[in-house]
Amino acid sequence: KNQVEQSPQSLIILEGKNCTLQCNYTVSPFSNLRWYKQDTGRGPVSLTIMTFSENTKSNGRYTATLDADTKQSSLHITASQLSDSASYICVVRGPGGFKTIFGAGTRLFVKA
Amino acid sequence: GAVVSQHPSWVICKSGTSVKIECRSLDFQATTMFWYRQFPKQSLMLMATSNEGSKATYEQGVEKDKFLINHASLTLSTLTVTSAHPEDSSFYICSAIRQGPDTQYFGPGTRLTVL
Repeated sequence: KNQVEQSPQSLIILEGKNCTLQCNYTVSPFSNLRWYKQDTGRGPVSLTIMTFSENTKSNGRYTATLDADTKQSSLHITASQLSDSASYICVVRGPGGFKTIFGAGTRLFVKA
Repeated sequence: GAVVSQHPSWVICKSGTSVKIECRSLDFQATTMFWYRQFPKQSLMLMATSNEGSKATYEQGVEKDKFLINHASLTLSTLTVTSAHPEDSSFYICSAIRQGPDTQYFGPGTRLTVL
């Protein structure tokens, strides 16, 4: 069964600290893996997208890694800011055309 | 960058009425759009895939007669919640695929509250 599991479910960190969010998937084969940031009451916004052959990709303070062998991805946030408080969703595009499988998300709270 | 818009951003309606939500791709043509529903503290749940010029494909458990989807042009898809009930209250999000390379963009969402 194609699944995407994210951990932790929620996380509280202090402003300025770093954090790492995890995403494990069983989708196979897959086309790409994306991380989205979703603010409360808003639609998801793409942070990074990685294909099978890519190991890491950065977007400002966000760095995503992908290990296609172990089917694991991580999103590292550096020097967190209050505005980083949001849900971070890992999405894997699986078989069957445009089918995408969503993780449940990690809810990040950044405190001053 | 690509932008997907939704209208309205929020709507409150009485039980039994119908509500139409629009999804537009603003600077690209999208042959495929998706409609999602998201309940509080849960992830997005795909409701249906909207294909321009053809009937939408609904996910299992989604009533096609209740959630009417029309993708009449390459930049517009609409979702109509017919005879809405309080349990239909949710956050509805659309997304569109821009090809070359395939990238999925999400709209800002529509908050539906049925009284």
